[in-house]
Amino acid sequence: AQSVSQHNHHVILSEAASLELGCNYSYGGTVNLFWYVQYPGQHLQLLLKYFSGDPLVKGIKGFEAEFIKSKFSFNLRKPSVQWSDTADYFCAVNVYNNNDMRFGAGTRLTVKP
Amino acid sequence: NAGVMQNPRHLVRRRGQEARLRCSPMKGHSHVYWYRQLPEEGLKFMVYLQKENIIDESGMPKERFSAEFPKEGPSILRIQQVVRGDSAAYFCASSPQTYTGELFFGEGSRLTVL
Repeated sequence: AQSVSQHNHHVILSEAASLELGCNYSYGGTVNLFWYVQYPGQHLQLLLKYFSGDPLVKGIKGFEAEFIKSKFSFNLRKPSVQWSDTADYFCAVNVYNNNDMRFGAGTRLTVKP
Repeated sequence: NAGVMQNPRHLVRRRGQEARLRCSPMKGHSHVYWYRQLPEEGLKFMVYLQKENIIDESGMPKERFSAEFPKEGPSILRIQQVVRGDSAAYFCASSPQTYTGELFFGEGSRLTVL
């Protein structure tokens, strides 16, 4: 069964620090990849997604993610985090043209002002 | 322009009672998904439904849990004879018939079992 692994359970950074959150999946076929974010007290919302093409995708709020097929990875990055980026971040995978989506356990990011 | 609506937002039940959580998908969406989020854990897939059909319920416990998405009305996640371990946040998401890859989430229903 496909699964999604997020390496970091809780990351604490100071403002302006660079961020990289790891995500690996275990499905060998064609996949679509996503990062969702859940700000405190809010619902999950899409941050960015990868379907095909340029493996470096850009999302909202300065986030980007790189798909490395050989490593089955889709890591999320941001050059300089802000206090408002404090949230839970979830990596998700689904099979092409299949609405069945599976999420990683999530990474809690705390940014200190 | 209503998003995914879940109710109740908070539900308190005593052990042995039944919990019913409702989810109205976004307008025009025909697919509904239920996820459970336990404290300090991520989102766990439970069940994926289309109108009147269960597509995938591989993440749902075999006993006490059931889900439906009738032709009319909201999707309902039903938990019978609740136990303390059922305390969690239950999230519903929806997507349109045409695949876009994106799920739209509700704000969740938090179940507390006393």
